[in-house]
Amino acid sequence: GAGVSQSPSNKVTEKGKDVELRCDPISGHTALYWYRQSLGQGLEFLIYFQGNSAPDKSGLPSDRFSAERTGGSVSTLTIQRTQQEDSAVYLCASSFSPGAYGYTFGSGTRLTVV
Amino acid sequence: AQTVTQSQPEMSVQEAETVTLSCTYDTSENNYYLFWYKQPPSRQMILVIRQEAYKQQNATENRFSVNFQKAAKSFSLKISDSQLGDTAMYFCAFMDDSGGGADGLTFGKGTHLIIQP
Repeated sequence: GAGVSQSPSNKVTEKGKDVELRCDPISGHTALYWYRQSLGQGLEFLIYFQGNSAPDKSGLPSDRFSAERTGGSVSTLTIQRTQQEDSAVYLCASSFSPGAYGYTFGSGTRLTVV
Repeated sequence: AQTVTQSQPEMSVQEAETVTLSCTYDTSENNYYLFWYKQPPSRQMILVIRQEAYKQQNATENRFSVNFQKAAKSFSLKISDSQLGDTAMYFCAFMDDSGGGADGLTFGKGTHLIIQP
């Protein structure tokens, strides 16, 4: 597609449930990033994928968070046993090279845990 | 670790005026990139302008220009002839070149810019 596509746009879930957030990067972009944007913490870097390489997961906030990228394209961010502090906007971005020329961001998924 | 500081939580100017948003950063690296992103209510972050640390010349993109002072670790954004559509959150961001981008961007807290008609 023309841009980075994220789904769903908004998600309301009950505390303790699992959620999956999806990101479709721009075709041909090898680098893919996930960020979390919350009122208290600003924008936090979560994880980076380069092609099919295994990502560095050290930026994920807890072991309830996991992410994968299939075929070097679509990525899924999964949050298990959601907590209220997980409420935030989750932004995905992609680029041809690892970010030196700036990324293209999606419009994010607003997650609300009630 | 790098830090990025935006000291102006909110700014308001009249349409057609010039406005400058400030940003300072802290790093021990010599090679890096700096960015300004705009986030309107649609939530999508839009790249406004980019600067490579090894270039002394300040980047410009139409009405947007930066004042990059490497020694002072300052990277301010100037918007000339401001327009109503410039109303948005503006984020300053830093990327270390040494990690090949694997560490992502470090963002400031943002400045909410309001352009008044």
